[in-house]
Amino acid sequence: SQTIHQWPATLVQPVGSPLSLECTVEGTSNPNLYWYRQAAGRGLQLLFYSVGIGQISSEVPQNLSASRPQDRQFILSSKKLLLSDSGFYLCAWSVMVGFGTDTQYFGPGTRLTVL
Amino acid sequence: GQQVMQIPQYQHVQEGEDFTTYCNSSTTLSNIQWYKQRPGGHPVFLIQLVKSGEVKKQKRLTFQFGEAKKNSSLHITATQTTDVGTYFCAGTKGFQKLVFGTGTRLLVSP
Repeated sequence: SQTIHQWPATLVQPVGSPLSLECTVEGTSNPNLYWYRQAAGRGLQLLFYSVGIGQISSEVPQNLSASRPQDRQFILSSKKLLLSDSGFYLCAWSVMVGFGTDTQYFGPGTRLTVL
Repeated sequence: GQQVMQIPQYQHVQEGEDFTTYCNSSTTLSNIQWYKQRPGGHPVFLIQLVKSGEVKKQKRLTFQFGEAKKNSSLHITATQTTDVGTYFCAGTKGFQKLVFGTGTRLLVSP
């Protein structure tokens, strides 16, 4: 069966510090991978998605970046965190099995607080 | 671009009352999905609807896809405290990526 891991679960970082969040998927090959951010009590904001190794699409201009060094590994990074980067970061995977059937499966998330 | 809105944003009900959230897309969809996010948790897939006018049930939850495939609803009969959370619809068109709705947060008081 497929599983998705994210770490760390929680993180407190000072403004201006770097960030690296990692997401890995097991039990599937060539998944679509996604990074979302969710502010407290708000909806899901798609940040990046990837359909293959080295292929990254950015949805929102910001000081974050994403990389996919391996098929089932997705990394979210920042060189200098801002206060506005605080939020709940969710990684998700999907496999397109047919026309318009892109069900997404989410990881447990990382709760980031920037002080 | 494609937008998916949900109403209401928030609803507080007494246990045993019914609850409905509505989802509206700016474009015709290939399918609609529903997810539930418990407080402090991550979104979990509930169901997918594909056909125009389709209705599916999961115990006390009834999901409906509109005839024009631009709207959908989730109805919960006789809510329980375990129904607390945020419900998201998500739509896709063809092979385009899923677009999540704005979410409806449900609070159920015992």
